This record gives sequence, C-alpha cells and structure tokens, in this order.
Amino acid sequence: EVQLVESGGGLVQPGGSLRLSCAASGFIFSSYWMSWVRQAPGKGLEWVANIKQDGNETYYLDSVKGRFTISRDNAKNSLYLQMNSLRAEDAAVYYCAKYPGNGKYFDYWGQGTLVTVSS
Amino acid sequence: QSALTQEASVSGTVGQKVTLSCTGNSNNIGYYAVGWYQQISHGAPKTVMFGDSLPSGIPDRFSGSKSGTTASLTISGLQPEDEADYYCSTWDYKLSGQVFGGGTKLTVL
Repeated sequence: EVQLVESGGGLVQPGGSLRLSCAASGFIFSSYWMSWVRQAPGKGLEWVANIKQDGNETYYLDSVKGRFTISRDNAKNSLYLQMNSLRAEDAAVYYCAKYPGNGKYFDYWGQGTLVTVSS
Repeated sequence: QSALTQEASVSGTVGQKVTLSCTGNSNNIGYYAVGWYQQISHGAPKTVMFGDSLPSGIPDRFSGSKSGTTASLTISGLQPEDEADYYCSTWDYKLSGQVFGGGTKLTVL
C-alpha cells in the first residue's frame, strides 16, 4: 500500500525557515517524480514544486523560486522541502504527492502538514 | 486566477448524473491527460480519475473524458458521499508547472 507521510510543519515567524519531510513507502520511491502541493486556509490547491527521480531536475512555482528548495534522498525514501524567507502567504497545509510512471497528474497524496507563518 | 477553469459549484440529487468541467488551453489540457481529485471537508485530496482511467478502489460511477482543451468528470448515480470539492490538474509545458483548477463544490441535495 502506497503511503506518504508528511512532517515538519509548525509555527514560524515571517522571514523564518522550516524543512518539511515526506516519508514514502509501498512503492519504489526512486522510480517516480514527486511533488509538493499546498492549500492555504479556505483556498484551492496550489502546486509548489516538482523533482525528478534522480533529483537532477526540479521545477518551482514562481512565487517560491529562490526561497524554497525541493530535494529527495532515495536511499531513505524521503522527499523534502526546505522553505526559507517565509511569508504570511506561504501559510498552508503542504501535501506531498506522487506522480505515476507516465502521467502529468498525481496518483497518491499524503495527509498534509500545516505551516503557520505569524509573528 | 487559476490556469484551469472549473464551475464554482454544482449540485444534484441522489441518483442523478452530474458532469464537472475543466477548461484549459493547448499548453495544458490540450496536450496532457488530466487528473481529478476529491477533497472532503478539507481533508487530504484523493485521486478519483486520471485521464480516462479509474484508480483502484474508486466506484465505477466516476468516469472521465476530454475533448480538445476541456476535460470532464462525470458521476453517474450520485451518492451522498460524493459531496466534496473536486479539483482538476495537469502539466502546463509553457509554464513548466503543474496547474490546477479553482475547484468545484459539489452538493448532493
């Protein structure tokens, strides 16, 4: 059974940093693109970043470029999102999501981790 | 402003057939298959359709289709447990990013 379990969320002050983690199991993690998607309170889903199987190709939402870094450790079956210079508008539930082999959509999602940005 | 356009709300009665639409352009829906995600009471999203394929465990009253730059999710035989927010998404090669619709709130009357 595919499982994606996020952790690392919490309360951080504006300008602060946070590192989210996603522990993957139930599939060959190193074989799939992975992604972070967020949802601000009362808002819709918003894609944040993608990373290729080997970690050598990444894509970011324009508003997080230069502040967020997506990475992965295939040996640990883990996905990460390093978030720096956090802003109030980054407050959201962050979901880890998995792509299938050849699709441009997600087949599995984690349960999410809440990031609150406030002084 | 979302890159993909969905109805804000749709409603139907139990047993009815409803269709949700998702409109994009040639850079996204016109080029790639679309995923549909169900979110109940702001819980974790759940994939209910990718392309025209049904994920394992999803009832076959859900079906998907695409014509040009518009994708559709049809629920035949609406059930009370189908009440949720539904989002569509695909890749946009011009934006080099995953794009979402703003979501459709489906109400089962």
